[in-house]
Amino acid sequence: AQKITQTQPGMFVQEKEAVTLDCTYDTSDPSYGLFWYKQPSSGEMIFLIYQGSYDQQNATEGRYSLNFQKARKSANLVISASQLGDSAMYFCAMSPKSQGSNYKLTFGKGTLLTVNP
Amino acid sequence: DAMVIQNPRYQVTQFGKPVTLSCSQTLNHNVMYWYQQKSSQAPKLLFHYYDKDFNNEADTPDNFQSRRPNTSFCFLDIRSPGLGDAAMYLCATSYLETQYFGPGTRLLVL
Repeated sequence: AQKITQTQPGMFVQEKEAVTLDCTYDTSDPSYGLFWYKQPSSGEMIFLIYQGSYDQQNATEGRYSLNFQKARKSANLVISASQLGDSAMYFCAMSPKSQGSNYKLTFGKGTLLTVNP
Repeated sequence: DAMVIQNPRYQVTQFGKPVTLSCSQTLNHNVMYWYQQKSSQAPKLLFHYYDKDFNNEADTPDNFQSRRPNTSFCFLDIRSPGLGDAAMYLCATSYLETQYFGPGTRLLVL
């Protein structure tokens, strides 16, 4: 069984500052993927970034980077230079790779980020 | 251009009246998923299709059914909606690890 824990129900950050959203996970699968999704108030789930468990380097996508610490089972999302449009709910998720193409996601409970002007 | 499309965006139905939500994709992905997301909760997987192979989650109520007539389209049928079925319903597709979601359909049950 897989479990994702996001301990920060809400976070506040000033515009243009960096923010880190925490995510820890637990799994018995030897190979897995870690994801972050953004969900604005409109409801759409927007894919942000992916990290494979055997990837040597931390993933980066523009202003998003994933701080992956395998030994600690953590996959924190770092957003640099926050913008007002970054205000949204952020979900950490994982899926095992052993299932082949049927990558079923397990989500955390989410962190609501508010960017203040 | 939208890659995963869900219609309608908002759906109002009456208690016990069957309702169908639709999802289409232009990505030609072989896997399609349906999630239910209630207010302030994480999405919960209902079922998924790998091509035409249907995979139901163990705790998905029998009230929920799905059809996938072709690669592009997938439907969620709720046979007798209850008040507890009011939620956002999200469709997603994938080819490999990453799932791409549609904008969702908000279902209101009166």
